[in-house]
Amino acid sequence: DTGVSQDPRHKITKRGQNVTFRCDPISEHNRLYWYRQTLGQGPEFLTYFQNEAQLEKSRLLSDRFSAERPKGSFSTLEIQRTEQGDSAMYLCASSLAVLKLLNTGELFFGEGSRLTVL
Amino acid sequence: GESVGLHLPTLSVQEGDNSIINCAYSNSASDYFIWYKQESGKGPQFIIDIRSNMDKRQGQRVTVLLNKTVKHLSLQIAATQPGDSAVYFCAEPKGGSGNTPLVFGKGTRLSVIA
Repeated sequence: DTGVSQDPRHKITKRGQNVTFRCDPISEHNRLYWYRQTLGQGPEFLTYFQNEAQLEKSRLLSDRFSAERPKGSFSTLEIQRTEQGDSAMYLCASSLAVLKLLNTGELFFGEGSRLTVL
Repeated sequence: GESVGLHLPTLSVQEGDNSIINCAYSNSASDYFIWYKQESGKGPQFIIDIRSNMDKRQGQRVTVLLNKTVKHLSLQIAATQPGDSAVYFCAEPKGGSGNTPLVFGKGTRLSVIA
């Protein structure tokens, strides 16, 4: 399977614990995005990378959240001191941004990592 | 359409009928729009896109219409099938142009009655 893969698919944790999600994008894609989705809502943008550089962080990304993409390939999203309000589906997506050309803007999403904070 | 909390707008159609899903956008400077389909337990999947210099674009069984005057987008699905049951989202670039992260609407749930 050469699509976007996310791990773990499901995580149940107690309030106050730290959790980390991993995303492996499509190999030739230089952009990687993290979104959060709660029940009945559309995906909400959190942050994105071009190669290893983090280009933008949403105001939704509190200081308890940190994302990295150290080698420009896979990425991790860590949530420290989890709260019940962090319960959501965390979606990763990747795309190919080509300089000087209009890219389609199409994002390829993984299946998501569902977090439940008790 | 807009939704509050868990109450997604829902569209129920008979198998074989055509479906029309609507979306209003707010940024008149947006030059690119995408429709995504999300099946239960899966990530969103690209359906079709359209640039602002077009009014209509057709794909396989799907057509997207763009009305820039009223900032309205619609997705038409011809001969709706049970496999079309999903939540449909419209999305536009955060910064208005096609090279920035996408902002998603709240979605419409399509239920196909066999």
